[in-house]
Amino acid sequence: DAEITQSPRHKITETGRQVTLACHQTWNHNNMFWYRQDLGHGLRLIHYSYGVHDTNKGEVSDGYSVSRSNTEDLPLTLESAASSQTSVYFCASSGSATGEQYFGPGTRLTVT
Amino acid sequence: RKEVEQDPGPFNVPEGATVAFNCTYSNSASQSFFWYRQDCRKEPKLLMSVYSSGNEDGRFTAQLNRASQYISLLIRDSKLSDSATYLCVVNGRNRSGTYKYIFGTGTRLKVLA
Repeated sequence: DAEITQSPRHKITETGRQVTLACHQTWNHNNMFWYRQDLGHGLRLIHYSYGVHDTNKGEVSDGYSVSRSNTEDLPLTLESAASSQTSVYFCASSGSATGEQYFGPGTRLTVT
Repeated sequence: RKEVEQDPGPFNVPEGATVAFNCTYSNSASQSFFWYRQDCRKEPKLLMSVYSSGNEDGRFTAQLNRASQYISLLIRDSKLSDSATYLCVVNGRNRSGTYKYIFGTGTRLKVLA
């Protein structure tokens, strides 16, 4: 069965370190997304991609970057982790720009 | 004003009750609408898409009112397992012409035995 996976599921890191969160989907979807979820804010879009080598900034992209070298993967990098980036991160994919999105299980990141 | 607004709840209802949630959105050009369910500390999962004609899936009914810019979710015969947070999601073009998926902050439902 097609799926979307994220790793690691939990991560504790120190302020200033570079961190990369992995996202892998086997749906063969062109569209992939990264969100963060914090209490009181709901899900907020960090970056998204509509295909290989395409990346776009979302509403909370500062301090994050992504790259898309193949259809299956969209890793999210925190250049220099800050305590404000402590959050739950969800990756999602969809088959069309207006269609439903399917989410990975999430990564809980703590920056100390 | 938030682009998508939901009553955060919690809605505490007894088993077997009927409960309804509303969600309003501000972008009249929005094109697709969804309800997702999210259990505590888990990923959102698609519950149902919402169509202009309304749609039903078992005990769940979703409706869209474009004129008043709101969508609704009705749950009949509530089960304990329906306890979760329900997220309203609206998708439409933003000013730069790209599609944008906007999530509400969710409505918490607790079904009580």
